[in-house]
Amino acid sequence: GENVEQHPSTLSVQEGDSAVIKCTYSDSASNYFPWYKQELGKRPQLIIDIRSNVGEKKDQRIAVTLNKTAKHFSLHITETQPEDSAVYFCAASRSGGSYIPTFGRGTSLIVHP
Amino acid sequence: DTAVSQTPKYLVTQMGNDKSIKCEQNLGHDTMYWYKQDSKKFLKIMFSYNNKELIINETVPNRFSPKSPDKAHLNLHINSLELGDSAVYFCASSQESGYQPQHFGDGTRLSIL
Repeated sequence: GENVEQHPSTLSVQEGDSAVIKCTYSDSASNYFPWYKQELGKRPQLIIDIRSNVGEKKDQRIAVTLNKTAKHFSLHITETQPEDSAVYFCAASRSGGSYIPTFGRGTSLIVHP
Repeated sequence: DTAVSQTPKYLVTQMGNDKSIKCEQNLGHDTMYWYKQDSKKFLKIMFSYNNKELIINETVPNRFSPKSPDKAHLNLHINSLELGDSAVYFCASSQESGYQPQHFGDGTRLSIL
């Protein structure tokens, strides 16, 4: 089955800095890679996703890059703000059947004002 | 309108009791899921269910059983509750399992006394 490794487990940055969270996956057939943000006491919510037909996707301060050859993908947050503080989860899955997304173990991002 | 709703939000009960958590989605999705999130924040998949197939994570004890009266509902029944069952349980749904984002409910915090 799929295995997703996520690093780092904790990331502390100053407001305005950039933050990068990296994930690797094992199943070369995986073709869908979402990222979820979970604020304290809240539910996980999708913030950005990427499919394997593209290498990069951007949405304002958030971007995701995908390297299918190396089987890794990354979340980039620029100009971090205190409200970016949360746990971020990456996931990998595939289309065509009853495949369940495999989640990374999460990264706790702390943005210091 | 809440897309994925779960009840109750909090559940406090004694060890050995049987309890159920209800989940409903109004998104018209064909796949629903149950996740367990422990104190370390790891999102562990318990079940995935669509009209055709129930996928059970083999590490889930058989005290846990999903029940789906129809496509919009997936309830979780737990028998003989144990201390280790204390966690937050999230219901989620998606269209086209594996290739579309998941929408999560607000979670049910289960505490075993």
